[in-house]
Amino acid sequence: NAGVTQTPKFQVLKTGQSMTLQCAQDMNHEYMSWYRQDPGMGLRLIHYSVGAGITDQGEVPNGYNVSRSTTEDFPLRLLSAAPSQTSVYFCASSYSGGIQETQYFGPGTRLLVL
Amino acid sequence: DQQVKQNSPSLSVQEGRISILNCDYTNSMFDYFLWYKKYPAEGPTFLISISSIKDKNEDGRFTVFLNKSAKHLSLHIVPSQPGDSAVYFCAASARGKSTFGDGTTLTVKP
Repeated sequence: NAGVTQTPKFQVLKTGQSMTLQCAQDMNHEYMSWYRQDPGMGLRLIHYSVGAGITDQGEVPNGYNVSRSTTEDFPLRLLSAAPSQTSVYFCASSYSGGIQETQYFGPGTRLLVL
Repeated sequence: DQQVKQNSPSLSVQEGRISILNCDYTNSMFDYFLWYKKYPAEGPTFLISISSIKDKNEDGRFTVFLNKSAKHLSLHIVPSQPGDSAVYFCAASARGKSTFGDGTTLTVKP
């Protein structure tokens, strides 16, 4: 049971480049989310999904796209990277609600946009 | 406007003493509150939670108190240990969406 895995661990991009941050979970969780954490700040919700085929925007969705074709995978796409997207990105999963609101986080992807 | 606030960026306590971390929220629709612990270069890990219908939840050395009328919750760690040194995030949840505070860095000195 690997939990939540994220790849890559670290990435450097040039402004305007695109990339996909990968996230996978093997706990059969319905809910999955992407957060970004900037220095000295908490985690801000980018996009989330309540099940395969269903996604919605969080607090800071601009510049990011997501899709959820399977329960296990929830990739985050940066279509045209900007320096303001330099951050640490965390993927998380959880059960559908109630006491299962507890989220399990991946180890994070550090992204530097030059 | 920040819906979840942790007003103390840092806290330092002596080993064996009590650590009290505070969190305030503004949205009455939050129905679940959680505390996460984060070490450098790792993802946050769940620590303890409380439903909005309760006012206290205890798990070993960790206790969370909820005061709904004041929209305030706190995390008590007794006794504090050096291994507790980390960043602690308060989170409030409504229908599966969580909003996080900015975190409090706890340092427990031996």
